[in-house]
Amino acid sequence: NAGVTQTPKFRVLKTGQSMTLLCAQDMNHEYMYWYRQDPGMGLRLIHYSVGEGTTAKGEVPDGYNVSRLKKQNFLLGLESAAPSQTSVYFCASSRLAGGTYEQYFGPGTRLTVT
Amino acid sequence: AQRVTQPEKLLSVFKGAPVELKCNYSYSGSPELFWYVQYSRQRLQLLLRHISRESIKGFTADLNKGETSFHLKKPFAQEEDSAMYYCALSIQGAQKLVFGQGTRLTINP
Repeated sequence: NAGVTQTPKFRVLKTGQSMTLLCAQDMNHEYMYWYRQDPGMGLRLIHYSVGEGTTAKGEVPDGYNVSRLKKQNFLLGLESAAPSQTSVYFCASSRLAGGTYEQYFGPGTRLTVT
Repeated sequence: AQRVTQPEKLLSVFKGAPVELKCNYSYSGSPELFWYVQYSRQRLQLLLRHISRESIKGFTADLNKGETSFHLKKPFAQEEDSAMYYCALSIQGAQKLVFGQGTRLTINP
């Protein structure tokens, strides 16, 4: 099993450009998440999904959109990138284990917006 | 609102010394607490969860509801423990995690 994979690993955008980050998981997990990691701020939840075709806002959703058309994929879109979106983005998926939900993380995507 | 606070951004101890990473939470309901770890050039992974009452790699963490804390402890630190550690709170009934700011632990030889 590849677990959780993210594409691309690195990307540099100019202000105003758009892009889509792809997250894929092969563990048949119901739940998927997108986080951003910034120095001194930990991981903050952007959007999440509790199943195919459903999405919900997290703590910092502004400027991002998501889609979950297939159970194994969760896409994060930036329609008009801003320098404040420079960050490392992590995708995760989760399953119920031992009465609680354990999240499995991808390797991250480092995005720089100039 | 739910909140997780890790007061130390950086923590440095010598090999063989005890280590304690602090975590405090704010939540009015029944919390589920976790510690996640990110070693250099590796992805974030679950270290331990309070519901399991387990010891992983020599680390333990006890949930103290009175002090709303979930500190991570290890009696004798090893160099391979150097990593970024995140405390996280799961709201009961929800499948979301709230993370603390993280503590970078460095074990000196």
